Amino acid sequence: GNSVTQMEGPVTLSEEAFLTINCTYTATGYPSLFWYVQYPGEGLQLLLKATKADDKGSNKGFEATYRKETTSFHLEKGSVQVSDSAVYFCALVNFNKFYFGSGTKLNVKP
Amino acid sequence: NAGVTQTPKFQVLKTGQSMTLQCAQDMNHEYMSWYRQDPGMGLRLIHYSVGAGITDQGEVPNGYNVSRSTTEDFPLRLLSAAPSQTSVYFCATKPYDKNIQYFGAGTRLSVL
Repeated sequence: GNSVTQMEGPVTLSEEAFLTINCTYTATGYPSLFWYVQYPGEGLQLLLKATKADDKGSNKGFEATYRKETTSFHLEKGSVQVSDSAVYFCALVNFNKFYFGSGTKLNVKP
Repeated sequence: NAGVTQTPKFQVLKTGQSMTLQCAQDMNHEYMSWYRQDPGMGLRLIHYSVGAGITDQGEVPNGYNVSRSTTEDFPLRLLSAAPSQTSVYFCATKPYDKNIQYFGAGTRLSVL
């Protein structure tokens, strides 16, 4: 079947620290992979995506690389800001169905 | 540009009541979907539609009905609400040829 597993939160970091949020997946076929971000009281927004193995998605300083050999899509950012505080979701799409991880809450302190 | 509009934003129901959550989009996207978001479980797909007149089940369809008579609207119906349906519901759309979803702001539903 299809599923997404991501590290539990919350993750608390100081401003300018390095961020990694782990995400692994199981899927049949060749899924596309995504990271979404959710700010309080809002719907999810696409942060970045990758459509095939070895693709790197990037946006707003965040990066993630589609690793087929380890079935992973870890989210990284070199220097987080207070404004990055949010909940981050890893997701995949396969045959028109989207599957989301449970979300990781990130708190960035000044 | 409204994007994806969900109504209502908040709703409280009693067990056994029925209601319809509305979702409307003005982006002419073929694909529309409904999710529920529960603590510690992320988003789970309830139903989706790839175009007017076509719907299909997601992971957790039981207790919910949908129909898609127009491209713009995709209502979600609870025929007999249960406390287990207390959740935040999100509608999302995407164009046929791209896997980029656009989400509404959500409906927070409590069933007492």
